[in-house]
Amino acid sequence: KQEVTQIPAALSVPEGENLVLNCSFTDSAIYNLQWFRQDPGKGLTSLLLIQSSQREQTSGRLNASLDKSSGRSTLYIAASQPGDSATYLCAVRLIQGAQKLVFGQGTRLTINP
Amino acid sequence: NAGVTQTPKFQVLKTGQSMTLQCAQDMNHEYMSWYRQDPGMGLRLIHYSVGAGITDQGEVPNGYNVSRSTTEDFPLRLLSAAPSQTSVYFCASSGDRGNTIYFGEGSWLTVV
Repeated sequence: KQEVTQIPAALSVPEGENLVLNCSFTDSAIYNLQWFRQDPGKGLTSLLLIQSSQREQTSGRLNASLDKSSGRSTLYIAASQPGDSATYLCAVRLIQGAQKLVFGQGTRLTINP
Repeated sequence: NAGVTQTPKFQVLKTGQSMTLQCAQDMNHEYMSWYRQDPGMGLRLIHYSVGAGITDQGEVPNGYNVSRSTTEDFPLRLLSAAPSQTSVYFCASSGDRGNTIYFGEGSWLTVV
């Protein structure tokens, strides 16, 4: 059974720092991996989607990497801002079962001014 | 472009009552799904659909029913609400499984 783990569960850093959020998964048979942002009381907003054949994706200050063989993905946030404060979730889409996303528990990020 | 729209946003039900959570998308997506989000449990798949007329069960389907009569709409029915169904419900859609998944804003349901 696929399990997705995100460590740490919470992270607090001062504004301006570069930071890395971690996501690990137990089964490398994934179709793709997606990073989401969730603000309190809101839905999930997609940040980056990495297909299983890709190594990384970039959008603005965000860079996500994927190492399928080791079951790991990282989300790198450059020059963090208070507006980046949110919960970040990673989810893997399984090869078996087209609609099955398995989510991690998320990392709650706080950027202090 | 509205994306994925869920209604209602908040609902309080009494045990045993039934209700329907509505979900509509305007992106002509074939894939739609319902998740529930609970503290300590993360997001879990309830039901999903790969096209009009085609639905299947996810990880936690008991107590819920779905149908997909059109591409745009994918309602989730609670047949006889129980306190264990108190949760936040999210509807999601995508063009196909290789594409980005878009989520609605969520429906907060409390069963008393």
